[in-house]
Amino acid sequence: DAGVIQSPRHEVTEMGQEVTLRCKPISGHDYLFWYRQTMMRGLELLIYFNNNVPIDDSGMPEDRFSAKMPNASFSTLKIQPSEPRDSAVYFCATRSGGAYGYTFGSGTRLTVV
Amino acid sequence: QKEVEQDPGPLSVPEGAIVSLNCTYSNSAFQYFMWYRQYSRKGPELLMYTYSSGNKEDGRFTAQVDKSSKYISLFIRDSQPSDSATYLCAMSASNTGNQFYFGTGTSLTVIP
Repeated sequence: DAGVIQSPRHEVTEMGQEVTLRCKPISGHDYLFWYRQTMMRGLELLIYFNNNVPIDDSGMPEDRFSAKMPNASFSTLKIQPSEPRDSAVYFCATRSGGAYGYTFGSGTRLTVV
Repeated sequence: QKEVEQDPGPLSVPEGAIVSLNCTYSNSAFQYFMWYRQYSRKGPELLMYTYSSGNKEDGRFTAQVDKSSKYISLFIRDSQPSDSATYLCAMSASNTGNQFYFGTGTSLTVIP
């Protein structure tokens, strides 16, 4: 099993540009989570899906952020327009329904200049 | 006030030392607790999972929960250089496994 796969690993973009982060979950894991990690705030849950359906998006900071999960094998997190304060490491994590704990991807390090 | 407080360190210890990592929390409803280890430039990986109060041991690692004090600990015995990482605590009141609050992490370096 290749684990949770995120792409790109690094992204540098200019303020105002659209950014799309991608995640391929572990096959059979029916929960998918998007987290953001910063030094000041640690890991923050942005949104999570169950069986491709968004369940809780209360952590999404504002309308500039959107997430989709069109099928069980793929999810995206989009920021449009991006701002310097969006700079962080974004993690995708997945979990199967009967398990405790998450399996995290290696993250996407986003820098908005 | 944050839901979960964790001393960021950094913590530096000699190889073989016993390490104690701690988190405090404010929500008395929390009853599911996890510890994650995060190596540099990697995602967190689950180390320990505990429910309610008490101790849980796994090899050199022991997780301890004191709900009366709202305090959890992770002990590492015979620490190794490979234990050098950031350790994150996480906790939840929900048995759905989906609403965990994470600490900011404690950076640990074990010196050979």
